Amino acid sequence: DTEVTQTPKHLVMGMTNKKSLKCEQHMGHRAMYWYKQKAKKPPELMFVYSYEKLSINESVPSRFSPECPNSSLLNLHLHALQPEDSALYLCASSQRGGGTEAFFGQGTRLTVV
Amino acid sequence: AQKITQTQPGMFVQEKEAVTLDCTYDTSDQSYGLFWYKQPSSGEMIFLIYQGSYDEQNATEGRYSLNFQKARKSANLVISASQLGDSAMYFCAMSGYTGANSKLTFGKGITLSVRP
Repeated sequence: DTEVTQTPKHLVMGMTNKKSLKCEQHMGHRAMYWYKQKAKKPPELMFVYSYEKLSINESVPSRFSPECPNSSLLNLHLHALQPEDSALYLCASSQRGGGTEAFFGQGTRLTVV
Repeated sequence: AQKITQTQPGMFVQEKEAVTLDCTYDTSDQSYGLFWYKQPSSGEMIFLIYQGSYDEQNATEGRYSLNFQKARKSANLVISASQLGDSAMYFCAMSGYTGANSKLTFGKGITLSVRP
């Protein structure tokens, strides 16, 4: 099973809303990632969690707040977003950190209005 | 730092023919992994194939093979017997095993269209 599950698949939120994106994997992977992807562009890394600890933050604005409650779950809390934050948000996991293949979820298409 | 370069414009291939998607890379690491992903219009990023930098044989996965030329720093994807469902965006990516380069770095991608 190489499944990473993301919810919701689509999300429309206002600039004053607070929402959360959720990601779950049951492959025993110890590294989990959040990526942001604009149309026809490659994914951009936002955060990396390794063994449930935040190991990389790619200078992401504080209106994005990641959380790793346990080794299977990864959340991305959203607050006071801007329209330019509208994008596809992809979660991924890998067996360990670098050098191993990452498996992605189907993504959440976020629209900020 | 590591860098992936995909320079081909959109590619077209006739159904049932083979196609090669080019990828070159640059890294200061001695150990690294190279990956190809497929992204259909639905948005899901699908892992296709992996090549380790110390693997002497080219990786194969069904209709996908990776033509790994370490000295040239290239990792081209070959898709044999193209199918209509292969129409998608394809990303080449790499990551080192430790440190700052352990994150997955993507090329800009290439759009493949399979013609019936």
